[in-house]
Parts: sequence; structure tokens; C-alpha cells
Amino acid sequence: QSALTQPPSVSGSPGQSITISCTGTRGDIGSYNFVSWHQQHPGKAPKLIIYEVNQRASGSSVRFSGSKSGNTASLTISGLQTDDEADYYCCSYAGGSTVVFGGGTKLTVL
Amino acid sequence: EVQLVESGGDLVQPGGSLRLSCAPAGFTFKNYGMYWVRQAPGKGLEWISYITADGKTFYADSVRGRFTVSRDDVKSSLYLHMNNLRREDTAVYYCARGRASFYFDSWGQGTLVTVSS
Repeated sequence: QSALTQPPSVSGSPGQSITISCTGTRGDIGSYNFVSWHQQHPGKAPKLIIYEVNQRASGSSVRFSGSKSGNTASLTISGLQTDDEADYYCCSYAGGSTVVFGGGTKLTVL
Repeated sequence: EVQLVESGGDLVQPGGSLRLSCAPAGFTFKNYGMYWVRQAPGKGLEWISYITADGKTFYADSVRGRFTVSRDDVKSSLYLHMNNLRREDTAVYYCARGRASFYFDSWGQGTLVTVSS
């Protein structure tokens, strides 16, 4: 049950696009299309934004998109807005009815 | 609207026990698997437990043998029984509603457990 690997931080300017990577193994991301992404603002509960690799959750902005290649999943946020500044966590099914999270990425909107 | 409300967090001494509860609303509880996820202060999210709609249970290595998840579909409640608590169990504990593809589509607001002497 090793955590997925995310960059600790990314940054971008308003209007730009950024991508957050999430690297796992053949035992999790590489074997299942069950990757989700969650956004967490400081002091708040996480919120689902993407599920099943690239499906937007109800109420999520169209500016959020997900993809996967091999053992790595990615979250892209286009047209960055100040409210996008938050922590982002990937999560993948890892077999045996278990899931594993990434370490989280802090997005700073400059 | 789906709502999940956790309760039961407290200050407890190392080696102690605690029971967390999660009260769902806005959906038919008995039809869903449920998760517990925790977040240590300043750290990331950690999955710790999952209970299926029909009561099968699964645990992370870090809590297996010490924590027990259960559900009462009559009372529409989810529980996490925590025994032999360690300082490293200090965290905000969230319950979350599970979906078939092993993702959580709704989260509670969390309840803080502090393990300290």
C-alpha cells in the first residue's frame, strides 16, 4: 500500500493551464481505470472533481480534465482561476477492495 | 442533497479506545459502501477502511487489527471502533460515500482525533 507519487507543488498564473501528475505502479493505476482526483481547500473537506480517470464529477468545472497513460494519471486545469488554489489528491484502486492516495500537490495561482 | 456528519472525535491517551460515528442523510444508506479516510495535521489523505453495502470489511495495513468498521443500516449509521490508539493516529477522520468504481463522491466535514498523554 505505497502512496502514489505526486509533485509537492505546482504553480501557474490566472488563465494558464497546469498539469499535475500522479505516478503509481502496475498494481494500481497501471491495471485499473479507477483513478479519481479530489480538491481540498485549506480547512475544508476534500471534494471529488474527477472519477474513472476522466469523468467530471457533478458540479465540477469543465476546466478540469483527467487522463492516464501507463502507470501515470494526470489532472489538467485550464484557464486557471484564483479559486483553484488548493491541494489536489489523486486516488487509485489498488486491488483487493483497497485504494491508495497520492501525497498531494499544492497548487499556487500566482 | 447528500450529507455525512462525523462525530466522536476527542483527546485520548496512547493505548486508549474511541468510537467514531458517521450519520448519513439524503440517500439510501444501505445501498452504498462507505469509507473512512484520515488526514494527519499538515499531511495528506490516507485511506484506512472500507465496508461494503453487504458488510464486508477491508483495512489499511496501518490500522488492521486495531480498528474495526461497522454499519447499522437500521439506524443508518457508520462506525469506526479504534483500539490501542497510537500518537500517529492523530488526525482528522472523514467518512465518505463509496461508488462502484472505488471512488468517493461525497465527504463529511471530518472529526478530530488527538492521541496524546
